Amino acid sequence: KQEVTQIPAALSVPEGENLVLNCSFTDSAIYNLQWFRQDPGKGLTSLLLIQSSQREQTSGRLNASLDKSSGRSTLYIAASQPGDSATYLCAVRPDSSASKIIFGSGTRLSIRP
Amino acid sequence: ETGVTQTPRHLVMGMTNKKSLKCEQHLGHNAMYWYKQSAKKPLELMFVYNFKEQTENNSVPSRFSPECPNSSHLFLHLHTLQPEDSALYLCASSPGTSYEQYFGPGTRLTVT
Repeated sequence: KQEVTQIPAALSVPEGENLVLNCSFTDSAIYNLQWFRQDPGKGLTSLLLIQSSQREQTSGRLNASLDKSSGRSTLYIAASQPGDSATYLCAVRPDSSASKIIFGSGTRLSIRP
Repeated sequence: ETGVTQTPRHLVMGMTNKKSLKCEQHLGHNAMYWYKQSAKKPLELMFVYNFKEQTENNSVPSRFSPECPNSSHLFLHLHTLQPEDSALYLCASSPGTSYEQYFGPGTRLTVT
């Protein structure tokens, strides 16, 4: 059974720092992995999606990497800003036909001005 | 704006009430989903509909009753809920069930 873990559950850093959020999954046989952002009381916004054949994806100040063999993904945020404060969720799709994607519990990120 | 809307955004109901949550997508997608997000727990998939047909029920109690009259609308009918059902209920849609999902803003439900 696939399980997705995100540690730490919460992180606070000063503005301007580069930071890394971690995601691990127990079964390396995945179709893709996705990082989402969730603001308090709001829905999820997709940030980056990495296919199983890819090693990384970039969007602006965000870079997501995927190491399937070790069951890990990281989300790198460069030059953090207070507006980056949110909960970041990673989710794994087990295979191409799966309608179910498996979420981690998220990391709540706070950027201090 | 994601193209997926949910109403109401907030709902407080007693355990004997009957209420419904509504989700509408304007993206031309064929699949729709209900998720439950409780405090400090991962999102839990509840139901999946593809072309109006339910394709997945993730062992959800019968006090939650979904309805999908067409590919653009999804309802979650609630009756005789328990306080532990208090959560954020998120709707999502996708072009097909194996494609990227787009989420609505959620309905914050409180059962008293």
